[in-house]
Amino acid sequence: GQNIDQPTEMTATEGAIVQINCTYQTSGFNGLFWYQQHAGEAPTFLSYNVLDGLEEKGRFSSFLSRSKGYSYLLLKELQMKDSASYLCAVIDSNYQLIWGAGTKLIIKP
Amino acid sequence: GAVVSQHPSRVICKSGTSVKIECRSLDFQATTMFWYRQFPKKSLMLMATSNEGSKATYEQGVEKDKFLINHASLTLSTLTVTSAHPEDSSFYICSARGGQEANEQYFGPGTRLTVT
Repeated sequence: GQNIDQPTEMTATEGAIVQINCTYQTSGFNGLFWYQQHAGEAPTFLSYNVLDGLEEKGRFSSFLSRSKGYSYLLLKELQMKDSASYLCAVIDSNYQLIWGAGTKLIIKP
Repeated sequence: GAVVSQHPSRVICKSGTSVKIECRSLDFQATTMFWYRQFPKKSLMLMATSNEGSKATYEQGVEKDKFLINHASLTLSTLTVTSAHPEDSSFYICSARGGQEANEQYFGPGTRLTVT
């Protein structure tokens, strides 16, 4: 079966760094998305990885290893507004989106 | 866990025809369903929110006569793209809220629509 795993909840301190991991087992791979979702709002696109390596975009970076079926989202210089859910989603060989359950990130002062 | 399915997963239609996309919550009752559209490498754009038994609430800029949404039961919502045009080609994703975790949102696998 197809599966995406990410931690249910994480807590971090304002100003610190946090890494949210995502592992996947899917039938084929055509890319991986990371989304941020604040309560009551639509998910916001953060990153798209299709090749191995690290993509940096400001305070957020995303890493992909296709051979390991693994990705992480790295958030630096955490701010209180980064408290949200972070969703990992993989596009499989049929171009279907397989969603992770999301990681709720709690930022403490 | 809560599962949301969509049918069809892929559809190709001719310009001017209508296409219906179904979204089902398989093992829970979805009090609210959401329809999104995704453009390549962009955020999901919320199109409308529907509550079972009532009319959908459309986001600004979304034509309700073109994108017909019906939420007839607690497990089924449909999106009909009427008089489709090539610019309607996109990835349409539904999500459902309900079940044991009332505030959790569960996403469907999406439907890729191509209008020729």
